Amino acid sequence: NAGVTQTPKFQVLKTGQSMTLQCAQDMNHEYMSWYRQDPGMGLRLIHYSVGAGITDQGEVPNGYNVSRSTTEDFPLRLLSAAPSQTSVYFCASRPPLGRGETQYFGPGTRLLVL
Amino acid sequence: DAKTTQPTSMDCAEGRAANLPCNHSTISGNEYVYWYRQIHSQGPQYIIHGLKNNETNEMASLIITEDRKSSTLILPHATLRDTAVYYCIVREFTYNTDKLIFGTGTRLQVFP
Repeated sequence: NAGVTQTPKFQVLKTGQSMTLQCAQDMNHEYMSWYRQDPGMGLRLIHYSVGAGITDQGEVPNGYNVSRSTTEDFPLRLLSAAPSQTSVYFCASRPPLGRGETQYFGPGTRLLVL
Repeated sequence: DAKTTQPTSMDCAEGRAANLPCNHSTISGNEYVYWYRQIHSQGPQYIIHGLKNNETNEMASLIITEDRKSSTLILPHATLRDTAVYYCIVREFTYNTDKLIFGTGTRLQVFP
């Protein structure tokens, strides 16, 4: 298994540009989530999904959209990037209930918005 | 807001036990205590978790007080590779939600 993969690893955007951060897992995990980590801070939950077709907001959802059309993929969209969205973004997934309760994190995407 | 408080930083000599404390005085009865660590800027790595009882695995031990208001992560024989930021996390877990509430963590420096 490749685990949780994220692309791209690095991205530079100009204010107002849009982009999609990709997250995929090949472990058939139902639960997936997106976090952001600002310098010197812990991770904060942006959006999460308990399965295909179901998404919900986390702690800091403003400025981000998500969708979950398949079990494997959970993309995060920035419709109009702002400098405040400069951060490191981590995607995580978790096995189905009863088969393990640990969330596994991807390697992260480092985003700079100018 | 984070439900846990941890010291900002700690030092530990290589080969000695590292004891990392965490306060979670507002934890509710069905919330678990999780520990993750983050080496450099990599994705957080799971270490251990518990609800009421003390737990041990190949990486660490977790001691939870009887009132569940605090816990201690123990790395029995710290190595240089254990240098990282350690997060004590309260997990809000129901069938439809699974939120890891991160604080700012403890930066552990293991020295030779």
